[in-house]
Order: sequence, then structure tokens, then C-alpha cells
Amino acid sequence: KQEVTQIPAALSVPEGENLVLNCSFTDSAIYNLQWFRQDPGKGLTSLLLIQSSQREQTSGRLNASLDKSSGRSTLYIAASQPGDSATYLCAVRPLFGGTSYGKLTFGQGTILTVHP
Amino acid sequence: GAVVSQHPSRVICKSGTSVKIECRSLDFQATTMFWYRQFPKQSLMLMATSNEGSKATYEQGVEKDKFLINHASLTLSTLTVTSAHPEDSSFYICSARDRTVNTEAFFGQGTRLTVV
Repeated sequence: KQEVTQIPAALSVPEGENLVLNCSFTDSAIYNLQWFRQDPGKGLTSLLLIQSSQREQTSGRLNASLDKSSGRSTLYIAASQPGDSATYLCAVRPLFGGTSYGKLTFGQGTILTVHP
Repeated sequence: GAVVSQHPSRVICKSGTSVKIECRSLDFQATTMFWYRQFPKQSLMLMATSNEGSKATYEQGVEKDKFLINHASLTLSTLTVTSAHPEDSSFYICSARDRTVNTEAFFGQGTRLTVV
């Protein structure tokens, strides 16, 4: 059974800092890995999606890397801003699995607070 | 990106009543939709996989008679919480996968259910 773990559980940083969020998964047979942002009481906003054959994806100040063999992904946020404050979730999609195909397994999330 | 609309965004109901939540894919056809549940400060847990024209597949521990799922068309899936109890109070989120673009699932805005 796939398990996804995110470290740290919470992170508080001053504005302007570069930071790294970590995600690890136990089963390397994944189709892709996705990073999401969730604001309090809201749904999910997809940030980056990395296919299993890719090693990284970039969007603006965000960069996500994937090391499938070691079961790890990192989300790098450059020059953090107060507006980046949210919960960040990573999720993996299995490569196989019949009825499991397509469903995501989520980590517990990292609560990020960027203070001015 | 593709848009998934979830309605209502917030609902309060009395114990013993039933509540229906709708999930619509607005600009694409979704053969598969997923229903997740999120308790406060916890991650998303998959409840069931909804396939158009067939019965939903429920995750272990999820009562199919309590959480009725109907996926009658390629753009609409509904989750009905029957005989709701206060412990059913939670945040429910749906996601839908575009049948022509099989790489990514798109998420609705979520429904905050409070049972009093």
C-alpha cells in the first residue's frame, strides 16, 4: 500500500527566503507526482505535475524535482512571499492497479506561513 | 486548465437528513470521477471511484449505503450523504479526469458539510 509522507509538517519563514518542502513515497511504481496548494477551507490548486519519466518541472518561482528510484520529491519555492502561505500537498498516482489506476494518494501536507 | 465545478460550497443540515453534492466537469468529459474526504488538519482520503454508467468502487471502510454515488453522465457525478450524523461533518472534494487527456485529474472547490 502506497504511503506518502511530507516533511516538515509546518514551516514558518520570513518573506524573501528560499525554501524546500519534502515529499517521500514508499512505492516507486508511480505514473506521476503532483504538488497542490490548498488555502484554508478551499479546494486544491494544482501547482506542478511531474510525469514518472521526468526529473523536474518549473513554474515561475516554483521548481519540483522527482527522484523516483529513491521515492522522493522536493518543491522549491524561491523568494517566498506572504501570499505563498497555504498548505502544500503532494500526491502520487499509481502506475498499475486496476481499479486503483488514476486515484491519488496524498501526503499529510506542509503548512507554510510566510510572514512579512 | 479544465474546470470542475462542485456545488454547494457549503451546506448545513440537520441530523437524519440527506444531502446531495454535485460535481460537474464544465469543459470536458470525465469517464472517471473521484470523491475525497478531508477532516480538519488532515489530508485527503479517497472515498470512492465513480465510473460513468457503472457502480462506484468504494474504498475499504466507506459505507456504500451511506455515501451514495451516481455518475449518470460524462459530466456529472453526485454524492449523497444519507441519514447524516454530526460525525459526517467534513470537507468533501471531487476530482475528474478528462477522458482524452489521461495524465491529470482536476479538482472541484470542495463542499463544507456541517451536520447539526
